[in-house]
Amino acid sequence: QMQLLQSGAEVKKPGASVTVSCRASGHSFTDDYIHWVRQAPGQGLEWMGWIMPKSGSKLSAQSFQGRVTMSRDTSINTAYMELHELNPDDTAFYYCARVSRSDRPFDTWGQGTLVTVSS
Amino acid sequence: SYVLTQPPSVSVAPGQTASITCGGIGVGGKSVHWYQQKPGQAPVLVIYSDRDRPSGIPDRFSGSNSRDTATLSISRVEAGDEADFYCQVWDYTNDHQVFGGGTRLTVL
Repeated sequence: QMQLLQSGAEVKKPGASVTVSCRASGHSFTDDYIHWVRQAPGQGLEWMGWIMPKSGSKLSAQSFQGRVTMSRDTSINTAYMELHELNPDDTAFYYCARVSRSDRPFDTWGQGTLVTVSS
Repeated sequence: SYVLTQPPSVSVAPGQTASITCGGIGVGGKSVHWYQQKPGQAPVLVIYSDRDRPSGIPDRFSGSNSRDTATLSISRVEAGDEADFYCQVWDYTNDHQVFGGGTRLTVL
């Protein structure tokens, strides 16, 4: 059974960038989609985008276009999400999640990575 | 962009049935998935494709979807069911995933 393990908490200053990693174990993730979802404190879930590790194809939500970079390293079963030009409103838990097909559910989630943006 | 609307909160007494709605134009033609999120934890899938339950999810959880409203029902509610619940669909028009705003279930 697939598990997704994310990198640890980060504290960043406004204007900086942050990279969150998501390593898959127990199952090769090359044929899946890895999505990124964030949740600000006390708020709901916000979809950020996806990457297909096999092809490298990706798509980001319009609200993050130009500010998010998604990548992957298939040799170590790891996906990455880099968010640029951070501001305090980007303080949130960031989750990676697996989807086998676009209309299928997020059936596996990472544990979440807290990113705090503060001067 | 596609919008899913959930009530912010639902309250129910133990042993009763909780119903959480997820409204969207023509949502009955989409495949709706539901997640439960307890404080400090990642979301957990409880219903997928409108009405299917992943292994390990009690049959007290059920789902339906018709026209403009999908519904998550939890029968014989227990204190341990208290959590935030989110509905989610795939918007095929732009290949985006959409979440509802979430509903906090309180067990009285």
